[in-house]
Amino acid sequence: AQKITQTQPGMFVQEKEAVTLDCTYDTSDPSYGLFWYKQPSSGEMIFLIYQGSYDQQNATEGRYSLNFQKARKSANLVISASQLGDSAMYFCAMREGLYSSASKIIFGSGTRLSIRP
Amino acid sequence: GAVVSQHPSWVICKSGTSVKIECRSLDFQATTMFWYRQFPKQSLMLMATSNEGSKATYEQGVEKDKFLINHASLTLSTLTVTSAHPEDSSFYICSAINSGGALETQYFGPGTRLLVL
Repeated sequence: AQKITQTQPGMFVQEKEAVTLDCTYDTSDPSYGLFWYKQPSSGEMIFLIYQGSYDQQNATEGRYSLNFQKARKSANLVISASQLGDSAMYFCAMREGLYSSASKIIFGSGTRLSIRP
Repeated sequence: GAVVSQHPSWVICKSGTSVKIECRSLDFQATTMFWYRQFPKQSLMLMATSNEGSKATYEQGVEKDKFLINHASLTLSTLTVTSAHPEDSSFYICSAINSGGALETQYFGPGTRLLVL
């Protein structure tokens, strides 16, 4: 079964608009972390934002915010005031068992975001 | 921030040869490293978890005799693709956890593109 689901294979957004990238997850572990990464065409994985399962407030990092709805098991990424440089693949990821030595990050299928000038 | 390097960044080899990819944590110690594979237009798939001083843990469906992993020190893990074939052509990315850092701190290398002719 899919543990991380990203239902939007591709999105087009006008420059300066806000965009929401969807992510739902599935886990029975009470201790987990949720991540968003950006992957430009160069292939490098750029860490954007992190949300821990016990965090009370939604994470924010500059123009990025994570809309964490624990009961719905969703962790959507919101990018405000999109820029042309935001065009890239975006991956949602989860790490279960944060305090376990076997803890590992698994990725969703990704969303390709294209920003129109 | 912490840096993870990979060498080589590109490799082209003939079918049947073996290829070694190095992953180094440059300014931190990493007891755990991860190896991912990414095919074009797809997500990152975890291949194995590499623990310093012990055998790697492979994900289901990954041939351990095909993909040899050695984590001989706290700053170096190697992935050797043995008897490479064209279907092994892919983008290989390593990731390392900073043993002395926050639990959510997992850093990714820039990746290695392998093309098997």
